[in-house]
Amino acid sequence: DADVTQTPRNRITKTGKRIMLECSQTKGHDRMYWYRQDPGLGLRLIYYSFDVKDINKGEISDGYSVSRQAQAKFSLSLESAIPNQTALYFCATSDSRQGVRATEAFFGQGTRLTVV
Amino acid sequence: KQEVTQIPAALSVPEGENLVLNCSFTDSAIYNLQWFRQDPGKGLTSLLLIQSSQREQTSGRLNASLDKSSGRSTLYIAASQPGDSATYLCAVRPVDTGGFKTIFGAGTRLFVKA
Repeated sequence: DADVTQTPRNRITKTGKRIMLECSQTKGHDRMYWYRQDPGLGLRLIYYSFDVKDINKGEISDGYSVSRQAQAKFSLSLESAIPNQTALYFCATSDSRQGVRATEAFFGQGTRLTVV
Repeated sequence: KQEVTQIPAALSVPEGENLVLNCSFTDSAIYNLQWFRQDPGKGLTSLLLIQSSQREQTSGRLNASLDKSSGRSTLYIAASQPGDSATYLCAVRPVDTGGFKTIFGAGTRLFVKA
């Protein structure tokens, strides 16, 4: 089983709908992240969380919200989906206790979201 | 603002060829640089992580170098195989963000022909 699991893997939704992407991890890491990937733009950070009570905006947080339900779970919500949110979304984790490797990130398999 | 550029955007080579993928970044104040491999439907796999104090890291047929002062890194793949076909992403962790934010390049799509 994957250490970082994203659900769903693929989703097609209509403009204006609310949708939630979920991420769970079995690595015991304290830090979790949500990224989106668009062709030609690499990955961009949407939100990140250092622990259950610590949520921070990334580069492109507008139109998104997150919830850290537990140390192992971090969900991303699109309150009212729009077509330009069509992208590949990745969840990632890292462990602040790993010294010089504390910033090394481990990624889920991605969720391909299409908003029509 | 840190920016990461990868050249070329796409590369096609015959099997067995040695190849180099390039990554450049605009701000040399980084904690580390990481190379990832991305396969469709399989997410990102970490290949090599180079700390800012290191010059290179090796894993099997892969060798990554880091020249922090010039803002450059290369990923060398020896004796390429069709199974190496994937997108390769370079990412840095800037010091001014505490090191936990990762800035990615857009990637190089590699195709190795059998």
